[in-house]
Amino acid sequence: DGGITQSPKYLFRKEGQNVTLSCEQNLNHDAMYWYRQDPGQGLRLIYYSQIVNDFQKGDIAEGYSVSREKKESFPLTVTSAQKNPTAFYLCASSWGQLNSPLHFGNGTRLTVT
Amino acid sequence: AQTVTQSQPEMSVQEAETVTLSCTYDTSESDYYLFWYKQPPSRQMILVIRQEAYKQQNATENRFSVNFQKAAKSFSLKISDSQLGDAAMYFCAYRNYNNNDMRFGAGTRLTVKP
Repeated sequence: DGGITQSPKYLFRKEGQNVTLSCEQNLNHDAMYWYRQDPGQGLRLIYYSQIVNDFQKGDIAEGYSVSREKKESFPLTVTSAQKNPTAFYLCASSWGQLNSPLHFGNGTRLTVT
Repeated sequence: AQTVTQSQPEMSVQEAETVTLSCTYDTSESDYYLFWYKQPPSRQMILVIRQEAYKQQNATENRFSVNFQKAAKSFSLKISDSQLGDAAMYFCAYRNYNNNDMRFGAGTRLTVKP
């Protein structure tokens, strides 16, 4: 079955460590996205990529980095520069057409202590 | 950046009744798309309905329909014959032609009472 896989489901890290969240899709979608979800704030866009080897910053890119070396993969690195990294992270993908909805993964809950 | 506002943090509805969730957005664009997503306790995001701004006819999907008022920049979701399984967070989202990102509102938590 086609879909988006985020791993792991739960991730724990010590403060000061970088951590990478995985996102893989087998839907052959062109565009991929990373969102952060905090209580009461909805989904905030971190980064998105429309094609391989290209990506754009969203509203809250500071302290995060991404790469898009393959069409099916869009990993997100949470660096030690991110002041409040504990959150729920959602990865999504879509076709390039603007009327295409986003398809979401099941999310990764990151806890940094 | 475009903003999406959902002014109702929480709503409740009696089973089998109708409820309307509000959404407004701010944009200077004339062409764009609007979406409603549902996030149940499993936290899996599910598309409920979508609307193209150039279409005057309101979208419908079974028990779900929208009231799209382009001049007022309003995009409300009506859920008819509410069911217990409709209980979830509902997010309104906006996407325009100039870029490919999608912006979400803060969400409305819907409770369905039996």
